[in-house]
Amino acid sequence: KNEVEQSPQNLTAQEGEFITINCSYSVGISALHWLQQHPGGGIVSLFMLSSGKKKHGRLIATINIQEKHSSLHITASHPRDSAVYICAVPPSGGGADGLTFGKGTHLIIQP
Amino acid sequence: DTEVTQTPKHLVMGMTNKKSLKCEQHMGHRAMYWYKQKAKKPPELMFVYSYEKLSINESVPSRFSPECPNSSLLNLHLHALQPEDSALYLCASSQVWGEPGYTFGSGTRLTVV
Repeated sequence: KNEVEQSPQNLTAQEGEFITINCSYSVGISALHWLQQHPGGGIVSLFMLSSGKKKHGRLIATINIQEKHSSLHITASHPRDSAVYICAVPPSGGGADGLTFGKGTHLIIQP
Repeated sequence: DTEVTQTPKHLVMGMTNKKSLKCEQHMGHRAMYWYKQKAKKPPELMFVYSYEKLSINESVPSRFSPECPNSSLLNLHLHALQPEDSALYLCASSQVWGEPGYTFGSGTRLTVV
């Protein structure tokens, strides 16, 4: 089974700072998910990526398949970005199975 | 339609009650999932349905009973729950093969009293 490691586990930053969250996994995958969860809320899918880089607004996700590593960046961070960010990978053999989740990064952006 | 809809959003139930959680999607996904999430923890897989058949049961107690009446609907029937079953219950869907995208519902916040 894939092992997913995220860092840092907790991150507090000032508004406007550039944020980086890292994720590494142990077994090759077809794609990786970045998810966001606000306190008391459900899970929102931010990105699914299988290679290279994706950008949506102030969020950028990159993945290096050879190094089994992905990063999520937030530019010009804002207090509304405060949430838990989770990386997750599907089963390496495909098929219907649960995602393997990292433990999440609890991000707080202070005004 | 690119959403997974879960109802109700909040549920309070007594330990002797019977209730059901409902999940619906119209994306043509043939895999549907129930996850349980406790505070400050990642979701834990409970059940997987693939082509409307139960394919994975992660040793979930029988007081949780899943049902997939058709390819768009997934239910979770609850009976004789314990206070420690209080959690956020998340539904998700995906293709079985091919495109690996997952879509999550917003969850049902369950409190057992």
